Amino acid sequence: QVQLQQSGPGLVKPSQSLSLTCAISGDSVSSNSAAWNWIRQSPSRGLEWLGRTYYRSKYYYDYPASVKSRITINADTSKNQFSLQLNSVTPEDTAVYYCVRGVWDSRGPHFYMDVWGKGTTVTVSS
Amino acid sequence: DIQMTQSPSSLSASVGDRVTITCRASQSISDYLNWYWQKPGKGPNLLIYAASSLQSGVPSRFSGSGSGTDFTLTISSLQPEDFATYYCQQTYSAPYTFGQGTRLEIK
Repeated sequence: QVQLQQSGPGLVKPSQSLSLTCAISGDSVSSNSAAWNWIRQSPSRGLEWLGRTYYRSKYYYDYPASVKSRITINADTSKNQFSLQLNSVTPEDTAVYYCVRGVWDSRGPHFYMDVWGKGTTVTVSS
Repeated sequence: DIQMTQSPSSLSASVGDRVTITCRASQSISDYLNWYWQKPGKGPNLLIYAASSLQSGVPSRFSGSGSGTDFTLTISSLQPEDFATYYCQQTYSAPYTFGQGTRLEIK
């Protein structure tokens, strides 16, 4: 059974960096059939996909334009975990952050998110 | 970015009712459409992927249909544990966007 355990601070000051880690059990961050995502949820923005990393002989990264200049997702194979760093945060970045496993349907190219972490509430405030 | 619009935003229904939730994409997404449900204070859970494929362990009273821009999630006979918020998500092209949610409440 795949489980994702999130860790990181719940309070970040404006202009600083938000950093969260997601430890994987039951799967590998180097899996050739999974992608490791960060998604956040807030009342004002709803569910928002922040990006992913996946391994296919090397690591690939996908980020939406909305956060691309501020975000880094990293995979740590030695600890079997992945992380999120979001720079220059503002109160608009206040949200519940989820780490999420994405997989591709074995019968075709459909991608979906089947395992979610419990979520970390991050508040951006001085 | 592809916009996903769900209707209704909220819905009141009774145990045993048949319920349908609609999701519309701003452009064709073939069948790259997933459905999730979420209870208060918890993370989302996968219900249906590829528009109509039931995730393992999900009861058969849930079904999904559609292709192109219009999709539906149907619950054939509501059970007490089904009262939650439901979200659609497109994975046709990044960024992968979600609908705003449909809150299903007990009448």
